[in-house]
Amino acid sequence: GQNIDQPTEMTATEGAIVQINCTYQTSGFNGLFWYQQHAGEAPTFLSYNVLDGLEEKGRFSSFLSRSKGYSYLLLKELQMKDSASYLCAGITGTASKLTFGTGTRLQVTL
Amino acid sequence: EPEVTQTPSHQVTQMGQEVILRCVPISNHLYFYWYRQILGQKVEFLVSFYNNEISEKSEIFDDQFSVERPDGSNFTLKIRSTKLEDSAMYFCASSEQGSYGYTFGSGTRLTVV
Repeated sequence: GQNIDQPTEMTATEGAIVQINCTYQTSGFNGLFWYQQHAGEAPTFLSYNVLDGLEEKGRFSSFLSRSKGYSYLLLKELQMKDSASYLCAGITGTASKLTFGTGTRLQVTL
Repeated sequence: EPEVTQTPSHQVTQMGQEVILRCVPISNHLYFYWYRQILGQKVEFLVSFYNNEISEKSEIFDDQFSVERPDGSNFTLKIRSTKLEDSAMYFCASSEQGSYGYTFGSGTRLTVV
């Protein structure tokens, strides 16, 4: 089956670095997305990895290892506004369906 | 930046009533999707639509659900006879080609009473 696992909650301090892990058990994913979601709002795109390795985009980086079924999102120089849920999602098939994990709720504290 | 637009933002309906949720995808996008998120749960795929037909649908997308692209800009989700458990946030999404440019709308919060 297509199962995506993430930690439910994490807490980190403003200015720090946090790594949110995502593991999956499927060989069918063509790539992996990371989205940010504030409560009651739509998921907003952060990153997309289709090949193994690190993709860097400002304060956010994402890593993928397809052989290990593992990805992480790295957030640097944390700000209070980064408090949100972070969703890992695999994309499959020609229909480009996204399968989401349950999301990791990140709380940034002073 | 181009947006996916959804209307209404909130909809309250009585159980058994029909609802239509509306979406305007990004204009040059070819793939369209509906997802839903029940409060406190994960985002779930409902259906994908390409070339004027359904490409894939989930088990949730039963006979009560239908999608339509009535003109060149709108993409709608109809729920024929709503149930209490249909209460959720419904997100429309579109993409240019497969994974490229995959963008979500701001959602419609549907409450069935």
